[in-house]
Amino acid sequence: GAVVSQHPSWVICKSGTSVKIECRSLDFQATTMFWYRQFPKQSLMLMATSNEGSKATYEQGVEKDKFLINHASLTLSTLTVTSAHPEDSSFYICSGEKPGLVREWETQYFGPGTRLLVL
Amino acid sequence: KQEVTQIPAALSVPEGENLVLNCSFTDSAIYNLQWFRQDPGKGLTSLLLIQSSQREQTSGRLNASLDKSSGRSTLYIAASQPGDSATYLCAVRKTGANNLFFGTGTRLTVIP
Repeated sequence: GAVVSQHPSWVICKSGTSVKIECRSLDFQATTMFWYRQFPKQSLMLMATSNEGSKATYEQGVEKDKFLINHASLTLSTLTVTSAHPEDSSFYICSGEKPGLVREWETQYFGPGTRLLVL
Repeated sequence: KQEVTQIPAALSVPEGENLVLNCSFTDSAIYNLQWFRQDPGKGLTSLLLIQSSQREQTSGRLNASLDKSSGRSTLYIAASQPGDSATYLCAVRKTGANNLFFGTGTRLTVIP
């Protein structure tokens, strides 16, 4: 298998502050990483796709200036929630895509998630 | 646009029962379909991945089938145990896309 870690696992912050979440692929190089958001009792919704060395591609409705994504290396992507507000409170999950010999064999491996609570 | 639906949304069964979870998707042009388990407040654990060319995959008490043409997949859990209690998510990877489209999940409770 492959392991993806996230840090921190949970964070509480005051409204207006910025929070950075790290996503690391520990034993493989992830050219592509994904950031998902999950509200209570709902499914995962893709926020953005991050490719190493290039700008992230954001899904419709996701503010790129609020959710800054940086994929500086093949093993690290960061999501920064800028000027966080209570409505940003959610569970954020990242995944890294492990390259395969053919595209259909490429698999995403998920991190354990980061719970953000904005007061 | 790919839409993934899971039925039922919640299911309670007594321990030892066999059960089936259902997943349907609207666009049959997929690379693969994956079943995940999510415990409350936790991340995702991949259970089974079925490539588009495959019909089923098995791991222990779990068996997942895929009927791509009809846009359906089932996850069969044999001899359910209380430890199986979790939310089960299916996700498809659309052909030509990198990201996964997730279903709404089925919350399973196995009663001792």
